Amino acid sequence: KAGVTQTPRYLIKTRGQQVTLSCSPISGHRSVSWYQQTPGQGLQFLFEYFSETQRNKGNFPGRFSGRQFSNSRSEMNVSTLELGDSALYLCASSLARGEHYGYTFGSGTRLTVV
Amino acid sequence: GEDVEQSLFLSVREGDSSVINCTYTDSSSTYLYWYKQEPGAGLQLLTYIFSNMDMKQDQRLTVLLNKKDKHLSLRIADTQTGDSAIYFCAERSGYGGSQGNLIFGKGTKLSVKP
Repeated sequence: KAGVTQTPRYLIKTRGQQVTLSCSPISGHRSVSWYQQTPGQGLQFLFEYFSETQRNKGNFPGRFSGRQFSNSRSEMNVSTLELGDSALYLCASSLARGEHYGYTFGSGTRLTVV
Repeated sequence: GEDVEQSLFLSVREGDSSVINCTYTDSSSTYLYWYKQEPGAGLQLLTYIFSNMDMKQDQRLTVLLNKKDKHLSLRIADTQTGDSAIYFCAERSGYGGSQGNLIFGKGTKLSVKP
């Protein structure tokens, strides 16, 4: 069974541009969460989607947004990129919400802002 | 606020046992998790423990939970060079009740010397 697929694996963008990252969850998984990983701040929660609705949001500025489609695939968008947005963005999927369901993470998208 | 703390580095010899420690703050956490991250990869769920358990064993992995002290440890028996990675402890945020996001420690980098 295919794992969580994130595309693209690597991206280089210029300050001020916007970027869209994609995540395809494991088949049958309906919950998708996004995390940002940086050397300084570690892993920080961005948002969670379930049944096409944002259920939970982390402490990030409004430049970070996301959505989920009816097939549970999710995208996240970052507008007006800043140098500090350079990070590994990880997507995780789960069968459903609730802590007894484990999360499966993708390999991430490495975003570099120059 | 909720926080998870881990030591940053651990170095062991191949064949020895490794013990990675973690402290957390949210006493309402009912599940606690250990994830592994290898270079260039996403996070792999290694194991988890339910808060009403003191210990959980899974092959070479043993998780110990001291709920009174909010202390979690991961013991890897007969550590191999392939175990070299970063290990993250995580609890689930109380925000959103039991369906909150994961809060991660900064990770412990385990180096295994042959």
